[in-house]
Amino acid sequence: NAGVTQTPKFQVLKTGQSMTLQCAQDMNHEYMSWYRQDPGMGLRLIHYSVGAGITDQGEVPNGYNVSRSTTEDFPLRLLSAAPSQTSVYFCASSYGTQAFFGQGTRLTVV
Amino acid sequence: TQLLEQSPQFLSIQEGENLTVYCNSSSVFSSLQWYRQEPGEGPVLLVTVVTGGEVKKLKRLTFQFGDARKDSSLHITAAQPGDTGLYLCAGGRGNFNKFYFGSGTKLNVKP
Repeated sequence: NAGVTQTPKFQVLKTGQSMTLQCAQDMNHEYMSWYRQDPGMGLRLIHYSVGAGITDQGEVPNGYNVSRSTTEDFPLRLLSAAPSQTSVYFCASSYGTQAFFGQGTRLTVV
Repeated sequence: TQLLEQSPQFLSIQEGENLTVYCNSSSVFSSLQWYRQEPGEGPVLLVTVVTGGEVKKLKRLTFQFGDARKDSSLHITAAQPGDTGLYLCAGGRGNFNKFYFGSGTKLNVKP
């Protein structure tokens, strides 16, 4: 019963570096999404996907790319990290109004 | 600008007290959810309300969706230290329920 698995849990990047945050779910949900959580801001939607091969932008998509080649996986790519991308990132998988979140990735960009 | 405004932002109370957290918007939502988040963890869904005026109870927690589906409240009766955490509301819109989150209410219940 893994649910939603995110890796890594912690990451420190230098400005300009690239990296991929991994997200996998084993519940066969079509809908997956990425959020970032900053103090006093709640969670803000970065990108989402309604099924394999389909992605769309959320509220704060700039600086991030996503792809959805399988139902299970929804990676989030930072092409050139900036200090403003220091945040905690959550991946979620949903069915109807039921959403399940991973444990998060704490990213620091120095 | 956040689509959903939560109040209060912080709440520190004694065990046994009652409290209400509010989640307000000028937009209509197809569903409204409440989550609790512990430090270092992802949010965990407490309840989903979908009908205007709907009231749901989960032990000592009572959730209400406004008649116009623009706002919601969470009432906790006789709070306990185990209720401590960050409470988030989220409104769903669209066919696939894109969720928009409030900024959260950080609750601390002192023994």
